Amino acid sequence: GDSVTQMEGPVTLSEEAFLTINCTYTATGYPSLFWYVQYPGEGLQLLLKATKADDKGSNKGFEATYRKETTSFHLEKGSVQVSDSAVYFCALSEETSGSRLTFGEGTQLTVNP
Amino acid sequence: GAVVSQHPSWVICKSGTSVKIECRSLDFQATTMFWYRQFPKQSLMLMATSNEGSKATYEQGVEKDKFLINHASLTLSTLTVTSAHPEDSSFYICSARFISYEQYFGPGTRLTVT
Repeated sequence: GDSVTQMEGPVTLSEEAFLTINCTYTATGYPSLFWYVQYPGEGLQLLLKATKADDKGSNKGFEATYRKETTSFHLEKGSVQVSDSAVYFCALSEETSGSRLTFGEGTQLTVNP
Repeated sequence: GAVVSQHPSWVICKSGTSVKIECRSLDFQATTMFWYRQFPKQSLMLMATSNEGSKATYEQGVEKDKFLINHASLTLSTLTVTSAHPEDSSFYICSARFISYEQYFGPGTRLTVT
């Protein structure tokens, strides 16, 4: 079945540092890939997505590129801010499974001033 | 963007009572809504998929008689936790599927059973 594996957290960075959160996936078909962010006590917000190989999703300075050859969708940001502190979830969705989302374990990011 | 609301955002109930959580899509019609459960510092676990006008499809291991889901309209789905026990305490999150297959998430409901 489908699965998503994220790098283990928590991740702690200083403000303006470079961020990478690794995400790899296993899927039977051609999934869409997502990054969601969850701030404390809140639900999930879609951060960015990519629907086919080599697509790059981007939003609020975050980027991720759909790499079919390495089955990866790593999240990057060149300069993090304190307000980026949150939990980040990588996820995939396949139409063959009714578009249900399969989530990774989540990575807690803390950015210190 | 599409907005999904949940009510209540936080509820405390006594063991043995039932609690109803509402999930509404405010600015679009959602043919499918999903219910998730999230334990502290863990990922989301899909509980059930709810299609408007039909019975919900429950994931393996989820008791359908305990977690009653009703999707009565294209903008409203409800989750009722029946005969709640302390182990049902959790963060419950719903999402609604837009026509483009993208899911939009509600802000979540924190349930505490005493």
